[in-house]
Amino acid sequence: TQLLEQSPQFLSIQEGENLTVYCNSSSVFSSLQWYRQEPGEGPVLLVTVVTGGEVKKLKRLTFQFGDARKDSSLHITAAQTGDTGLYLCAGAWSGGSNYKLTFGKGTLLTVNP
Amino acid sequence: DTGVSQNPRHKITKRGQNVTFRCDPISEHNRLYWYRQTLGQGPEFLTYFQNEAQLEKSRLLSDRFSAERPKGSFSTLEIQRTEQGDSAMYLCASSPTSADTQYFGPGTRLTVL
Repeated sequence: TQLLEQSPQFLSIQEGENLTVYCNSSSVFSSLQWYRQEPGEGPVLLVTVVTGGEVKKLKRLTFQFGDARKDSSLHITAAQTGDTGLYLCAGAWSGGSNYKLTFGKGTLLTVNP
Repeated sequence: DTGVSQNPRHKITKRGQNVTFRCDPISEHNRLYWYRQTLGQGPEFLTYFQNEAQLEKSRLLSDRFSAERPKGSFSTLEIQRTEQGDSAMYLCASSPTSADTQYFGPGTRLTVL
C-alpha cells in the first residue's frame, strides 16, 4: 500500500503569516497533485507536478516536488482568510497504474482575520 | 459550466434501501473514477472506467456496490441494501486518457439512518 503522510494535520494562523505544509511518502510517484477542499464540496485542483525538483507557483502558493519524487511541499505567502480549507496531496504511484490516486489525510488550514 | 457534475448533492436514506448516484464527467474525458471520502480522511479509490469498460474495482467496493458507464459518458453508482457504514461523500472525477490529473465533481453526501 502506498501511503502519503501530510503534516501538520491542523494549522491555525493569522492573516498575513507564511506557512508550509508537507506531503511525504516512502514510495516514488510519477506525479503528484495538490487539491483544496471546502466543507461539503469536492476537491479543487491547484497544481500537478511531475518532474523531480520541479517548482510551480500559483500566485501566493509555491509547490515543490522532491528530487526523488517521494515528497512535496506547499508554501503559502501572506495567507488570507480565503485560503482556509483542507489541503490534500494525491499521488499516482510510479510502480503501478497511473490512474489510481492515493490521497493523504490532508492539512486543515484556518486563517484567522 | 463544463466541469464534472454529480447528482444528487445530498441523499438521506434508511438502512436497507437502495440508492443510485449519477456522475457526468467533462465531455472529452475518457476516464472516469469514483472515490469515497469519510470524515477526517482523504478520498479513497473505488473504481475506474476507461470509456465504457470498468477496468478496476477496489476491495472497498463490496458486492452491494455496482457502477456502470453504459455509453462511455455518464456513470452511475448504485448501493444496494445500504448500511450505516456507507455514510460518506461519494466523489466522481474524470481525466483525459493521456493525463494523470483528475478533476473532481462536487460530490454526493450520503447519510444512512
